[in-house]
Amino acid sequence: QVQLQESGPGLVETSQTLSLTCAVSGASISRGGSYWSWIRQRPGKGLEWIGYIYYDGTPYFNPSLKSRVTISPDKSKNQFSLKLTSVTAADTAVYYCAKVRVGHSTPFDFWGQGTLVTVSP
Amino acid sequence: QVTQSPASLSASVGDRVTITCRTGQTIADFLNWYQQKPGKAPELLIYAASNLHSGVPLRFSGSGSGTDFTLTITSLEPEDFATYYCQQTFISPPTFGQGTNVEI
Repeated sequence: QVQLQESGPGLVETSQTLSLTCAVSGASISRGGSYWSWIRQRPGKGLEWIGYIYYDGTPYFNPSLKSRVTISPDKSKNQFSLKLTSVTAADTAVYYCAKVRVGHSTPFDFWGQGTLVTVSP
Repeated sequence: QVTQSPASLSASVGDRVTITCRTGQTIADFLNWYQQKPGKAPELLIYAASNLHSGVPLRFSGSGSGTDFTLTITSLEPEDFATYYCQQTFISPPTFGQGTNVEI
């Protein structure tokens, strides 16, 4: 069974960089067949795709966040990370990592439990 | 654009429930459905419009192609009270509907 677990600071100051890590078990981020993704959900709101990376490190980002986002793999630890720069209150959200199956309709088939990040003024 | 309807609905155990998702452009069958319970991560129910994800009960089904899609729960169980999201993945970036809250 694939499992993902997010970790990182729950509080980030305005204008600083949000950094989160997603540890993966039951699957290898070094193998093809999956993208490794970040998604967020602002309080009381819907889901917003942030971006994902492929096993070869090729990134894909939501244009609305692209200028501020980095997603990087750490193959030695089978984990991947998210960095979001210049955060504001609008970046307060629950951040999820997810495995995305490559292929028809690219479903997000396994998710982490999520971690709440609050941006403080 | 991905538009779900209704935004919320009230139902009882045993009811048949239908949720609709409409996209602004044709997306073939690149449409997925997720269930989210309060305080939990979304879980994949249906992929490619009509394919049941592993472990999902058979009372869930999906249909549609092009711009109009439907999620149906044939007989609502107590554990099905949740928020449901559709997601299109044909056009980048992948986008989610606003959700349908199914409540008692």
